[in-house]
Amino acid sequence: SQQGEEDPQALSIQEGENATMNCSYKTSINNLQWYRQNSGRGLVHLILIRSNEREKHSGRLRVTLDTSKKSSSLLITASRAADTASYFCATANSGAGSYQLTFGKGTKLSVIP
Amino acid sequence: KAGVTQTPRYLIKTRGQQVTLSCSPISGHRSVSWYQQTPGQGLQFLFEYFSETQRNKGNFPGRFSGRQFSNSRSEMNVSTLELGDSALYLCASTLDGGSGSTYNEQFFGPGTRLTVL
Repeated sequence: SQQGEEDPQALSIQEGENATMNCSYKTSINNLQWYRQNSGRGLVHLILIRSNEREKHSGRLRVTLDTSKKSSSLLITASRAADTASYFCATANSGAGSYQLTFGKGTKLSVIP
Repeated sequence: KAGVTQTPRYLIKTRGQQVTLSCSPISGHRSVSWYQQTPGQGLQFLFEYFSETQRNKGNFPGRFSGRQFSNSRSEMNVSTLELGDSALYLCASTLDGGSGSTYNEQFFGPGTRLTVL
């Protein structure tokens, strides 16, 4: 079942603009991860944020996590055409050493040169 | 380090046949998970293996099975293929120190695109 729900489902911006994607989830989590997928290919891991963290940065990426609202956001600054892809959030629930990820349906980002 | 590799990259099968997909995790990673991606259902967890043992299984019929070898390589098998099994099958590996930590990133392979005719 899908736990995460990304918002918006699709986003189109001009190169150089910032892109913000949101993710909501339903149950308690240990961590939340963001992935990128280019046109039917494998998933590329972008960033992991733990449940006790509120914000994390990696290059042009900024992720926030609000466990009280069960939501996360991914900000891509100064977007490039190469950022065009689908972005997924995935939550890892607590469980005895298991790495089952529950994915949202994704946000399709188009960056127009 | 080499990434996660999956073979074959593409497969075409007919209904009723069976198929075996292979995944080699990143060197040193002991946990391997499998996911199915379809346009309708999105990304869904199939199962996870650690030290040759299945630790967790998603909500899929028994036609879907897997195993892990002592070198952490994993295979998944789908028997009696149905049209609805057409999907991108993704394998992910995780570094697991065995402590039960769930904080480790999962790294995905390029996937195997299965088409069932």
